[in-house]
Amino acid sequence: EAGVVQSPRYKIIEKKQPVAFWCNPISGHNTLYWYRQNLGQGPELLIRYENEEAVDDSQLPKDRFSAERLKGVDSTLKIQPAELGDSAVYLCASSTGHRQPQHFGDGTRLSIL
Amino acid sequence: GENVEQHPSTLSVQEGDSAVIKCTYSDSASNYFPWYKQELGKGPQLIIDIRSNVGEKKDQRIAVTLNKTAKHFSLHITETQPEDSAVYFCAAPQAGTALIFGKGTTLSVSS
Repeated sequence: EAGVVQSPRYKIIEKKQPVAFWCNPISGHNTLYWYRQNLGQGPELLIRYENEEAVDDSQLPKDRFSAERLKGVDSTLKIQPAELGDSAVYLCASSTGHRQPQHFGDGTRLSIL
Repeated sequence: GENVEQHPSTLSVQEGDSAVIKCTYSDSASNYFPWYKQELGKGPQLIIDIRSNVGEKKDQRIAVTLNKTAKHFSLHITETQPEDSAVYFCAAPQAGTALIFGKGTTLSVSS
């Protein structure tokens, strides 16, 4: 079984530029999560999707962050414009349902210059 | 909201020794407690989880114990090996939303 696939693995941009991350969850997993992991910390939830519906986006900074999950499979997370404090690893996870085991991708490491 | 505290932040053991990492949580309604292992440059990998209807679960050298009264759960690794070296995270669900993670424990196993 293929795992959660994320791309790109690394991204370096200048502040105020836009950036996008892509996630392909495990086949059949209806629930998809985006997390942000700062250095030396645990992952923190940004948004949770049930199929194509965003059901928990309370921690997503909506002034600059947006996400979509068209057709309820792949998902993209966008930041525009990026700020220095956005430097982190952005992780995608998927599960068969809410409160079921989550499986993570290897993340996108974002560096803002 | 839910708060998950994890201790210790770093743990160094000799190969073959046991390692124990403890987490406490605040939401008494929490009923699912996973443990993740994260290696450098990789995403967290689920290694074991436990639900609130059992007190202990074991998978080869790894075990998790849960004390719902005290609101804490622990990861036990026996016969540690160098490849067990990694950062370990516990997590617990916050009511109505997804997992809240601890700050992690860096385990170093020296041979």
